Amino acid sequence: AQKVTQAQTEISVVEKEDVTLDCVYETRDTTYYLFWYKQPPSGELVFLIRRNSFDEQNEISGRYSWNFQKSTSSFNFTITASQVVDSAVYFCALSEISTGNQFYFGTGTSLTVIP
Amino acid sequence: DVKVTQSSRYLVKRTGEKVFLECVQDMDHENMFWYRQDPGLGLRLIYFSYDVKMKEKGDIPEGYSVSREKKERFSLILESASTNQTSMYLCASTPRTGWWSYNSPLHFGNGTRLTVT
Repeated sequence: AQKVTQAQTEISVVEKEDVTLDCVYETRDTTYYLFWYKQPPSGELVFLIRRNSFDEQNEISGRYSWNFQKSTSSFNFTITASQVVDSAVYFCALSEISTGNQFYFGTGTSLTVIP
Repeated sequence: DVKVTQSSRYLVKRTGEKVFLECVQDMDHENMFWYRQDPGLGLRLIYFSYDVKMKEKGDIPEGYSVSREKKERFSLILESASTNQTSMYLCASTPRTGWWSYNSPLHFGNGTRLTVT
């Protein structure tokens, strides 16, 4: 079973629009971490954010914000006023304490921002 | 900044060849990983290592082996390359920060795009 689901395969938005990338996870653990990574066309995955299961506070970093809701097992990522440089593939990932040797990745969402 | 360097950006190999993909990190990280990335499948773990000479199978180890003789270097070996191993290969590392060290973000290399013909 897929532990991390990113249902949106591809999204296209026009520059300056807001866009939300969905991430739904599955775990029986009470202690776990969630991550978002960005993979620009250059190929290197870049770490964006980590959130632990005990911290449900939303986080904002510039144009980026993250909404963590344990009740719905979701960790969604919103880009406000999107820019062409935001075009990339975005991955959500889970690390859970019971299987501590693994990071589980979603299949990624490819975001294209059209100028 | 942590730097994870993969020796080749692009590789083209023939079916049946033995292929070595090299990865070096410069931050003294204990844990190192090899992932394979394919469209629609995301990242899948091939092997990981939590110490020198230690290795563990990931989700898709068949057809691959690894070597970790030095802490900073983690090699992925395709014993006899096949066309279904054409893919993007990503190396990553994390520090061991405690008894559960997989809460640290992965640091990735740029990837090696391997084509097997």
